[in-house]
Amino acid sequence: AQSVSQHNHHVILSEAASLELGCNYSYGGTVNLFWYVQYPGQHLQLLLKYFSGDPLVKGIKGFEAEFIKSKFSFNLRKPSVQWSDTAEYFCAVTRPSGNNRKLIWGLGTSLAVNP
Amino acid sequence: EPEVTQTPSHQVTQMGQEVILRCVPISNHLYFYWYRQILGQKVEFLVSFYNNEISEKSEIFDDQFSVERPDGSNFTLKIRSTKLEDSAMYFCASSAIGDTQYFGPGTRLTVL
Repeated sequence: AQSVSQHNHHVILSEAASLELGCNYSYGGTVNLFWYVQYPGQHLQLLLKYFSGDPLVKGIKGFEAEFIKSKFSFNLRKPSVQWSDTAEYFCAVTRPSGNNRKLIWGLGTSLAVNP
Repeated sequence: EPEVTQTPSHQVTQMGQEVILRCVPISNHLYFYWYRQILGQKVEFLVSFYNNEISEKSEIFDDQFSVERPDGSNFTLKIRSTKLEDSAMYFCASSAIGDTQYFGPGTRLTVL
């Protein structure tokens, strides 16, 4: 069965520190990859996505992620975090075929950025 | 910017009661989903809906669950006889063909 693993469950950083959140998935076929973010009290929002093409994708708010097919990974990065990046971050995967594109989710990473 | 909306934001019910969670997807979207997240656990897929029928459902989505799109705008999830373990945050999502899913704010269901 497909699964998604996020390695860091709780991360605490100071402002201006660099961020990298790991995500690995277990599925050998073609996948679409997503990072969603949930700010405190808000709903899940798309941060960035990879469908095909350049494996380095850029998202909103200075985030980027790199798809490494050989490692089944899609790690999220940001060179310099801000206090406003405090949120829950979710990696998710879907298979790009058929009428159902159910998302398979990682457990999420809670990021706290100290001012 | 169009959004997915969900009502109520919080529902408290007694075990064995029926609940209906409501969602209004983005208007030109064709694919609809329900997910849930039990506290401390992963977000789990429940069901997907396309062309007025279920396209896939998970093992969680047993006979106690049903979905409906009664009027072309709402998308509802019904739980016929709630159990304690149904307590969770329920998220509705919608998407255009083959595209990103957009999520509502969620309904927190508490079963007592």
